[in-house]
Amino acid sequence: SQTIHQWPATLVQPVGSPLSLECTVEGTSNPNLYWYRQAAGRGLQLLFYSVGIGQISSEVPQNLSASRPQDRQFILSSKKLLLSDSGFYLCAWAHAGGGSTPQHFGDGTRLSIL
Amino acid sequence: DAKTTQPPSMDCAEGRAANLPCNHSTISGNEYVYWYRQIHSQGPQYIIHGLKNNETNEMASLIITEDRKSSTLILPHATLRDTAVYYCIVRVADSWGKLQFGAGTQVVVTP
Repeated sequence: SQTIHQWPATLVQPVGSPLSLECTVEGTSNPNLYWYRQAAGRGLQLLFYSVGIGQISSEVPQNLSASRPQDRQFILSSKKLLLSDSGFYLCAWAHAGGGSTPQHFGDGTRLSIL
Repeated sequence: DAKTTQPPSMDCAEGRAANLPCNHSTISGNEYVYWYRQIHSQGPQYIIHGLKNNETNEMASLIITEDRKSSTLILPHATLRDTAVYYCIVRVADSWGKLQFGAGTQVVVTP
């Protein structure tokens, strides 16, 4: 079966510091990968998605970036965090090819910016 | 993708069936209905999805009206662990599949 791992589970960072969140998927090949953010009291917002190594699409302009250095690894980064970057960051995967196949989420990283 | 409308909250007694409604009156012929739930401080959990036929799995049943303008998620025997926010989402089946989450329905199962 497939599993998705995200770390760290919680993170407290000062404004202006860099960020690196990692997500890995096991048990499948060439998955579609996604980064979502959930701000406090709000719904999930898609940030990035990837359909293959090195292929990243951005949904919203921001100071975050994503990379996919390996087939089942997805990284969310920032060079300088803003207060508005606080939130719950979720990684998700879906079988390659899309169609109606559902997305499956990790347990998330709760990021607090001080 | 079509938008959905859900009640903001509902209560359910433990052991009883929970029927969660969702309106999607502008749904297109190629859009699927998906249900997820999010237990506090966890990532969303996929429950079920369907196009036009009713669907059932080990977690729930999905009933879609004949005109596809609304659907109902049925949790047959609610437990306290089913307390969560439930999201109804419609989206086109495409190559990458963006999910648009709304506010959902906060379901509280009481003893």
